Amino acid sequence: DAGVIQSPRHEVTEMGQEVTLRCKPISGHDYLFWYRQTMMRGLELLIYFNNNVPIDDSGMPEDRFSAKMPNASFSTLKIQPSEPRDSAVYFCASSLVGTGSYEQYFGPGTRLTVT
Amino acid sequence: QKEVEQDPGPLSVPEGAIVSLNCTYSNSAFQYFMWYRQYSRKGPELLMYTYSSGNKEDGRFTAQVDKSSKYISLFIRDSQPSDSATYLCAMSGPGGYNKLIFGAGTRLAVHP
Repeated sequence: DAGVIQSPRHEVTEMGQEVTLRCKPISGHDYLFWYRQTMMRGLELLIYFNNNVPIDDSGMPEDRFSAKMPNASFSTLKIQPSEPRDSAVYFCASSLVGTGSYEQYFGPGTRLTVT
Repeated sequence: QKEVEQDPGPLSVPEGAIVSLNCTYSNSAFQYFMWYRQYSRKGPELLMYTYSSGNKEDGRFTAQVDKSSKYISLFIRDSQPSDSATYLCAMSGPGGYNKLIFGAGTRLAVHP
């Protein structure tokens, strides 16, 4: 299996622009998570989905952030408009619950820089 | 005060040393405790998982949970240069193991 795939790996954009991050979870996994990692705040859960349905979005910082999961193999995290404080590494993770494993498999991350 | 406190280090040890990594937490409802390892510019990967209190051993790694003290530890025996990474503790409560709260991570360097 290729693991969790994220694109792009690096994104540099200007303040005010729309940013879309993409994630392909591991095939067959039923949970998908979006995290943000910064030096100041560490690794934070933004939102997670179960069977494509958003379960908990309490970690989404502001209305500028939105996430969708139109099908089991694709999810997006959108920031509109972007701000310099959104600069971070964004990770997508997936897991399969019910097999006795609680492991979340993380992708390589998207490093976002907003200037 | 953060829910999960972890000393960011860095921690530098010689090869072969025993390493002790720790986290404290404030939420007594936490039930699931995990340790993730993160290499530079990579995503975290699960190293150890423990439910409730007790010890768990896997090769050179031992995870301990003391719920009465709200304290968890990860011990690495016979540390190797390949263990050089950031170690993040993570935990979640009765609402389910999915909503993980991570510590800040401790950066470990094992030098030959």
